[in-house]
Amino acid sequence: EVQLVESGGGLVQPGGSLRLSCAASGFTFSTYWMTWVRQAPGKGLEWVASIEQDGSEKFYVDSVKGRFTISRDNAKNSLYLEMNSLRAEDTAVYYCAGGIGECWGQGTLVTVSS
Amino acid sequence: QAGLTQPPSVSKGLRQTATLTCTGNSNNVANQGAAWLQQHQGHPPKLLSYRNNNRPSGISERFSASRSGDTASLTITGLQPEDEADYYCSAWDTSLSAVVFGGGTKLTVL
Repeated sequence: EVQLVESGGGLVQPGGSLRLSCAASGFTFSTYWMTWVRQAPGKGLEWVASIEQDGSEKFYVDSVKGRFTISRDNAKNSLYLEMNSLRAEDTAVYYCAGGIGECWGQGTLVTVSS
Repeated sequence: QAGLTQPPSVSKGLRQTATLTCTGNSNNVANQGAAWLQQHQGHPPKLLSYRNNNRPSGISERFSASRSGDTASLTITGLQPEDEADYYCSAWDTSLSAVVFGGGTKLTVL
Protein backbone atom coordinates (compact mmCIF):
# COMPACT_ATOMS: atom_id res chain seq x y z
CA GLU A 1 0.00 0.00 0.00
CA VAL A 2 1.32 3.41 -1.00
CA GLN A 3 1.69 5.58 2.08
CA LEU A 4 3.08 8.98 3.01
CA VAL A 5 3.22 9.95 6.67
CA GLU A 6 4.16 13.47 7.71
CA SER A 7 5.48 14.42 11.13
CA GLY A 8 7.17 17.32 12.88
CA GLY A 9 4.39 19.89 12.95
CA GLY A 10 3.46 21.83 16.04
CA LEU A 11 3.25 25.24 17.67
CA VAL A 12 6.22 27.55 17.16
CA GLN A 13 6.81 31.22 17.88
CA PRO A 14 7.35 33.73 15.09
CA GLY A 15 10.96 33.64 14.00
CA GLY A 16 11.32 30.04 15.11
CA SER A 17 12.18 26.87 13.20
CA LEU A 18 10.67 23.48 12.51
CA ARG A 19 11.69 20.44 10.50
CA LEU A 20 8.96 18.44 8.82
CA SER A 21 9.50 14.85 7.74
CA CYS A 22 7.57 12.64 5.36
CA ALA A 23 8.10 8.88 5.46
CA ALA A 24 7.25 7.04 2.25
CA SER A 25 6.41 3.38 1.77
CA GLY A 26 4.79 1.13 -0.79
CA PHE A 27 6.47 2.63 -3.86
CA THR A 28 9.95 3.26 -5.24
CA PHE A 29 10.56 6.58 -3.54
CA SER A 30 13.78 7.35 -5.38
CA THR A 31 11.99 7.48 -8.73
CA TYR A 32 9.42 10.06 -7.65
CA TRP A 33 9.48 13.84 -7.82
CA MET A 34 8.31 14.96 -4.37
CA THR A 35 6.46 18.07 -3.27
CA TRP A 36 5.29 19.96 -0.18
CA VAL A 37 1.91 21.67 -0.41
CA ARG A 38 0.27 23.67 2.36
CA GLN A 39 -3.24 24.74 3.18
CA ALA A 40 -3.95 27.59 5.57
CA PRO A 41 -7.09 27.23 7.69
CA GLY A 42 -10.16 27.65 5.48
CA LYS A 43 -8.04 28.44 2.42
CA GLY A 44 -6.98 26.73 -0.78
CA LEU A 45 -3.95 24.66 -1.64
CA GLU A 46 -0.59 26.41 -2.02
CA TRP A 47 2.47 24.78 -3.52
CA VAL A 48 5.53 25.24 -1.29
CA ALA A 49 8.45 23.34 -2.80
CA SER A 50 9.42 20.42 -5.01
CA ILE A 51 12.53 18.32 -5.40
CA GLU A 52 13.69 16.15 -8.25
CA GLN A 53 14.23 12.42 -7.87
CA ASP A 54 17.95 12.63 -7.12
CA GLY A 55 17.70 15.88 -5.16
CA SER A 56 19.73 17.81 -7.72
CA GLU A 57 17.06 20.40 -8.46
CA LYS A 58 14.82 22.15 -5.97
CA PHE A 59 12.04 24.66 -6.57
CA TYR A 60 10.30 27.02 -4.14
CA VAL A 61 7.39 29.43 -4.02
CA ASP A 62 8.70 32.98 -3.75
CA SER A 63 7.29 33.51 -0.24
CA VAL A 64 9.52 30.80 1.29
CA LYS A 65 12.72 31.25 -0.71
CA GLY A 66 15.66 31.74 1.61
CA ARG A 67 13.68 30.50 4.63
CA PHE A 68 12.64 26.93 3.74
CA THR A 69 14.80 24.08 2.43
CA ILE A 70 13.45 20.92 0.86
CA SER A 71 15.60 17.81 0.92
CA ARG A 72 15.33 14.05 0.65
CA ASP A 73 17.13 10.90 1.71
CA ASN A 74 16.40 8.17 -0.82
CA ALA A 75 18.15 5.58 1.34
CA LYS A 76 15.65 6.30 4.11
CA ASN A 77 12.64 6.86 1.79
CA SER A 78 12.15 10.24 3.41
CA LEU A 79 11.37 13.80 2.42
CA TYR A 80 12.08 16.81 4.60
CA LEU A 81 11.19 20.49 4.87
CA GLU A 82 13.42 22.66 7.02
CA MET A 83 11.53 25.81 7.93
CA ASN A 84 13.28 28.83 9.44
CA SER A 85 12.24 32.40 10.27
CA LEU A 86 8.66 31.25 10.51
CA ARG A 87 5.88 33.80 10.19
CA ALA A 88 2.22 33.79 11.18
CA GLU A 89 1.29 33.44 7.52
CA ASP A 90 3.13 30.10 7.39
CA THR A 91 0.42 28.62 9.62
CA ALA A 92 -1.12 25.75 7.66
CA VAL A 93 -1.50 22.03 7.26
CA TYR A 94 1.55 20.84 5.35
CA TYR A 95 1.11 17.89 3.01
CA CYS A 96 3.77 15.90 1.23
CA ALA A 97 2.80 14.58 -2.17
CA GLY A 98 4.45 12.14 -4.52
CA GLY A 99 4.93 12.41 -8.26
CA ILE A 100 2.29 14.49 -9.94
CA GLY A 101 0.02 14.13 -6.94
CA GLU A 102 -0.78 10.43 -7.17
CA CYS A 103 -0.29 10.06 -3.45
CA TRP A 104 -0.70 12.42 -0.50
CA GLY A 105 -0.04 12.21 3.19
CA GLN A 106 -2.63 13.13 5.81
CA GLY A 107 -0.81 16.36 6.59
CA THR A 108 0.81 17.89 9.65
CA LEU A 109 -0.34 21.14 11.22
CA VAL A 110 2.14 23.97 11.71
CA THR A 111 0.97 26.86 13.87
CA VAL A 112 3.11 29.98 14.13
CA SER A 113 1.93 32.09 17.03
CA SER A 114 3.23 33.80 20.14
CA GLN B 1 3.37 33.91 -8.13
CA ALA B 2 0.20 34.19 -10.21
CA GLY B 3 -2.18 31.28 -9.90
CA LEU B 4 -4.78 29.68 -12.12
CA THR B 5 -8.33 31.03 -12.19
CA GLN B 6 -11.28 28.91 -11.08
CA PRO B 7 -14.85 29.96 -10.29
CA PRO B 8 -15.34 29.93 -6.50
CA SER B 9 -18.51 27.86 -6.59
CA VAL B 10 -20.70 25.73 -8.84
CA SER B 11 -24.07 24.21 -7.93
CA LYS B 12 -25.81 21.43 -9.84
CA GLY B 13 -28.57 18.95 -9.21
CA LEU B 14 -28.29 15.27 -8.42
CA ARG B 15 -27.51 13.17 -11.54
CA GLN B 16 -26.78 16.32 -13.57
CA THR B 17 -23.48 17.20 -15.24
CA ALA B 18 -21.08 19.80 -13.87
CA THR B 19 -18.22 21.36 -15.81
CA LEU B 20 -15.53 23.13 -13.83
CA THR B 21 -13.07 25.44 -15.53
CA CYS B 22 -9.49 26.48 -14.87
CA THR B 23 -7.83 29.28 -16.82
CA GLY B 24 -4.11 29.79 -17.03
CA ASN B 25 -1.79 30.98 -19.77
CA SER B 26 0.73 29.86 -22.37
CA ASN B 27 3.33 29.09 -19.70
CA ASN B 28 1.26 26.60 -17.75
CA VAL B 29 -2.10 25.14 -18.80
CA ALA B 30 -1.65 25.73 -22.53
CA ASN B 31 1.65 23.87 -22.88
CA GLN B 32 1.94 21.72 -19.76
CA GLY B 33 -1.64 20.62 -19.29
CA ALA B 34 -3.46 20.62 -15.98
CA ALA B 35 -4.10 18.22 -13.15
CA TRP B 36 -7.34 18.08 -11.19
CA LEU B 37 -7.65 17.27 -7.51
CA GLN B 38 -10.69 16.61 -5.33
CA GLN B 39 -10.68 17.45 -1.63
CA HIS B 40 -13.37 16.60 0.84
CA GLN B 41 -13.55 18.61 4.05
CA GLY B 42 -10.93 17.45 6.54
CA HIS B 43 -9.19 15.12 4.09
CA PRO B 44 -6.10 15.38 1.89
CA PRO B 45 -6.54 16.02 -1.82
CA LYS B 46 -7.00 13.16 -4.27
CA LEU B 47 -5.75 13.20 -7.86
CA LEU B 48 -8.56 12.85 -10.40
CA SER B 49 -6.67 13.44 -13.65
CA TYR B 50 -3.32 14.65 -14.90
CA ARG B 51 -1.97 16.12 -18.13
CA ASN B 52 -5.49 16.95 -19.22
CA ASN B 53 -7.26 13.59 -19.35
CA ASN B 54 -5.25 10.80 -17.83
CA ARG B 55 -7.10 9.19 -14.92
CA PRO B 56 -5.24 7.34 -12.17
CA SER B 57 -6.47 3.83 -11.54
CA GLY B 58 -9.58 3.72 -9.39
CA ILE B 59 -10.96 7.06 -10.53
CA SER B 60 -14.49 6.83 -11.90
CA GLU B 61 -15.10 7.38 -15.60
CA ARG B 62 -17.66 9.96 -14.53
CA PHE B 63 -14.69 12.32 -14.19
CA SER B 64 -13.20 13.50 -17.46
CA ALA B 65 -10.84 16.34 -18.18
CA SER B 66 -9.99 18.30 -21.29
CA ARG B 67 -8.15 21.41 -22.41
CA SER B 68 -8.74 24.10 -24.99
CA GLY B 69 -5.96 26.62 -25.29
CA ASP B 70 -5.19 28.00 -21.87
CA THR B 71 -8.37 26.71 -20.25
CA ALA B 72 -8.70 23.27 -18.70
CA SER B 73 -12.04 21.72 -17.83
CA LEU B 74 -13.24 18.94 -15.57
CA THR B 75 -16.60 17.40 -16.40
CA ILE B 76 -18.41 15.30 -13.83
CA THR B 77 -21.39 13.36 -15.12
CA GLY B 78 -24.21 11.76 -13.14
CA LEU B 79 -23.53 13.88 -10.05
CA GLN B 80 -23.70 12.02 -6.75
CA PRO B 81 -23.86 13.38 -3.20
CA GLU B 82 -20.26 12.25 -2.61
CA ASP B 83 -19.07 14.48 -5.44
CA GLU B 84 -19.74 17.50 -3.23
CA ALA B 85 -16.21 18.72 -2.50
CA ASP B 86 -13.60 21.31 -3.37
CA TYR B 87 -11.89 20.88 -6.72
CA TYR B 88 -8.47 22.30 -7.54
CA CYS B 89 -6.52 22.49 -10.76
CA SER B 90 -2.75 22.72 -10.91
CA ALA B 91 -0.05 22.98 -13.53
CA TRP B 92 3.68 23.39 -13.86
CA ASP B 93 4.56 26.90 -14.96
CA THR B 94 7.62 26.90 -17.20
CA SER B 95 8.20 30.64 -16.80
CA LEU B 96 8.08 30.59 -13.00
CA SER B 97 9.62 27.11 -12.58
CA ALA B 98 6.87 26.56 -10.08
CA VAL B 99 3.64 24.67 -9.56
CA VAL B 100 0.62 26.93 -9.69
CA PHE B 101 -2.76 26.09 -8.22
CA GLY B 102 -6.19 27.45 -8.87
CA GLY B 103 -8.09 28.94 -5.96
CA GLY B 104 -10.48 25.99 -5.96
CA THR B 105 -14.14 25.51 -6.86
CA LYS B 106 -16.64 24.39 -4.26
CA LEU B 107 -19.08 22.03 -5.94
CA THR B 108 -22.50 21.75 -4.34
CA VAL B 109 -24.79 18.90 -5.36
CA LEU B 110 -28.38 19.96 -4.80
